[in-house]
Amino acid sequence: KNEVEQSPQNLTAQEGEFITINCSYSVGISALHWLQQHPGGGIVSLFMLSSGKKKHGRLIATINIQEKHSSLHITASHPRDSAVYICAVASTGTASKLTFGTGTRLQVTL
Amino acid sequence: NAGVTQTPKFQVLKTGQSMTLQCAQDMNHEYMSWYRQDPGMGLRLIHYSVGAGITDQGEVPNGYNVSRSTTEDFPLRLLSAAPSQTSVYFCASSSPTRYYTFGSGTRLTVV
Repeated sequence: KNEVEQSPQNLTAQEGEFITINCSYSVGISALHWLQQHPGGGIVSLFMLSSGKKKHGRLIATINIQEKHSSLHITASHPRDSAVYICAVASTGTASKLTFGTGTRLQVTL
Repeated sequence: NAGVTQTPKFQVLKTGQSMTLQCAQDMNHEYMSWYRQDPGMGLRLIHYSVGAGITDQGEVPNGYNVSRSTTEDFPLRLLSAAPSQTSVYFCASSSPTRYYTFGSGTRLTVV
């Protein structure tokens, strides 16, 4: 079993829909990261969380440390949100390296 | 522009050849790391460094060497390329409590 599990693997939504991507992990963590990767593109950091909730524009990330679970929400989705979203964790005491989920491929259509 | 500079972007090697993937950051980050990305698998850690002169192995270190002589640079060396090393490679840097910054990636094909 992978240390970091994401669901769903693939997601198709219509423009304007509310989207949720889930991440579960099995180890103690110092931080959880949400990343975005466009097709053929580089990797961009969206959020770093150790507790609670963060919001950037239409993106919201939450984490429940007790349940070892995080969610990434996209409100009012847009075709430019189409990308792979990756959850990664830094285990307790090891902020210097990440363990990654396999990613959620999101396609937003008009 | 501040960030992580990774070169080359593309490379084709013959089996048995060696090469070095370059990675440099200008943000004075302590941590640097190398990952490989393969279809259907999450990014996997090859080697990482917590500071100049300090390196350690990750999940998939075999066939790769690293060194960290300065804070800025963290090159990845392929000693004798094999087809199993065909992948996309990403370098990243960060500091404690900081976001990770990733390089733009190197697409390596070994034939």
